[in-house]
Amino acid sequence: SQKIEQNSEALNIQEGKTATLTCNYTNYSPAYLQWYRQDPGRGPVFLLLIRENEKEKRKERLKVTFDTTLKQSLFHITASQPADSATYLCALGDNDMRFGAGTRLTVKP
Amino acid sequence: GAVVSQHPSRVICKSGTSVKIECRSLDFQATTMFWYRQFPKQSLMLMATSNEGSKATYEQGVEKDKFLINHASLTLSTLTVTSAHPEDSSFYICSARTSGGAGEQFFGPGTRLTVL
Repeated sequence: SQKIEQNSEALNIQEGKTATLTCNYTNYSPAYLQWYRQDPGRGPVFLLLIRENEKEKRKERLKVTFDTTLKQSLFHITASQPADSATYLCALGDNDMRFGAGTRLTVKP
Repeated sequence: GAVVSQHPSRVICKSGTSVKIECRSLDFQATTMFWYRQFPKQSLMLMATSNEGSKATYEQGVEKDKFLINHASLTLSTLTVTSAHPEDSSFYICSARTSGGAGEQFFGPGTRLTVL
């Protein structure tokens, strides 16, 4: 069966450090993968999309890698700030997108 | 960026009543809209995919007669929870996409449904 697994339910880091979140998937051959941020009681907000032929993508302090051999994506937030505290979701799917369970990131000042 | 709104943001109803949730794309035309449900501390679960003017495609295990979806225009989709029960209490989120296939989805702010 198809699975999308995010490495940990929660991640706590100190402000200024780099947060690294992992998304692994099985029984998918995605053309692209997306990362979203979700704050409590809110809908997800799109962050980055990376295509299967792209190894890495950056946007400001965010960096996403996509390894279709390992079936894994890494999501990095550099110079993390308390405002980065949220749940981060990876999502796969072409016509109908499915989400991982999310990793709740807490950045402590 | 594109904006998707949902109404109402919060609804409390009695068991057995029906509740309608609206999802609107405010500044773009959405060829496809999606409905998700999210229970506390869990991820979003896709309920159904709807294309304008055609019947919705429901995920396995989602009762189409209980969760009625209407996508009557390129900017509006509605989800009606019929004969709601306490176990239907959840956070319902819609999203919209501008084109078929690849592309980001724009999410609404969600609707918190509580069935007493």
